[in-house]
Amino acid sequence: EAGVTQFPSHSVIEKGQTVTLRCDPISGHDNLYWYRRVMGKEIKFLLHFVKESKQDESGMPNNRFLAERTGGTYSTLKVQPAELEDSGVYFCASSQYRFGTGALNEKLFFGSGTQLSVL
Amino acid sequence: AQSVTQLGSHVSVSEGALVLLRCNYSSSVPPYLFWYVQYPNQGLQLLLKYTSAATLVKGINGFEAEFKKSETSFHLTKPSAHMSDAAEYFCAVSLGSQGNLIFGKGTKLSVKP
Repeated sequence: EAGVTQFPSHSVIEKGQTVTLRCDPISGHDNLYWYRRVMGKEIKFLLHFVKESKQDESGMPNNRFLAERTGGTYSTLKVQPAELEDSGVYFCASSQYRFGTGALNEKLFFGSGTQLSVL
Repeated sequence: AQSVTQLGSHVSVSEGALVLLRCNYSSSVPPYLFWYVQYPNQGLQLLLKYTSAATLVKGINGFEAEFKKSETSFHLTKPSAHMSDAAEYFCAVSLGSQGNLIFGKGTKLSVKP
């Protein structure tokens, strides 16, 4: 079974440019999460999709970030225009059930992340 | 507000020695607690989780963690370190039905031969 796939694995762009990150969740997983880790800081929640709907986008830093999940399959996270402080590792995760409810069978699967460097 | 504190950004142990990675949490509700590990160039992998059942939780690769409510701690231990345990470890708390995780800053574990 394929895991959560993210690409690109690395992206180096200049300030002001646009970058689009992609996440392919595990097939059949309705719940998709984006997280970000800025260097030296905690991994922080950005948003949560249930199928194609945004369930919680409270962690999105500002309106330069746009996440979509058309058709409830893969998701994209666009940063436009990119700023220096956007540099970090962007993680995607998926789960079959809504994660965090304490159910014994719940499990969150993470991708290996996209390392974004804004110069 | 919920938060997680991991004491020590870097921990170094010798092969065969005890591994102890510390995690303290702050939560206004009974928490669900997790330990994740990230090996180089890989995604985060769940080591173990506490969901209000047994306070001593056993995970993969010989790791275990004990939930201590009185100390608001969830420290991760392994009796004998292997070279393959070298990785970064993250403690996290769940906000329950809100469905997202709050992570600590992570602890990088080095294992010396």
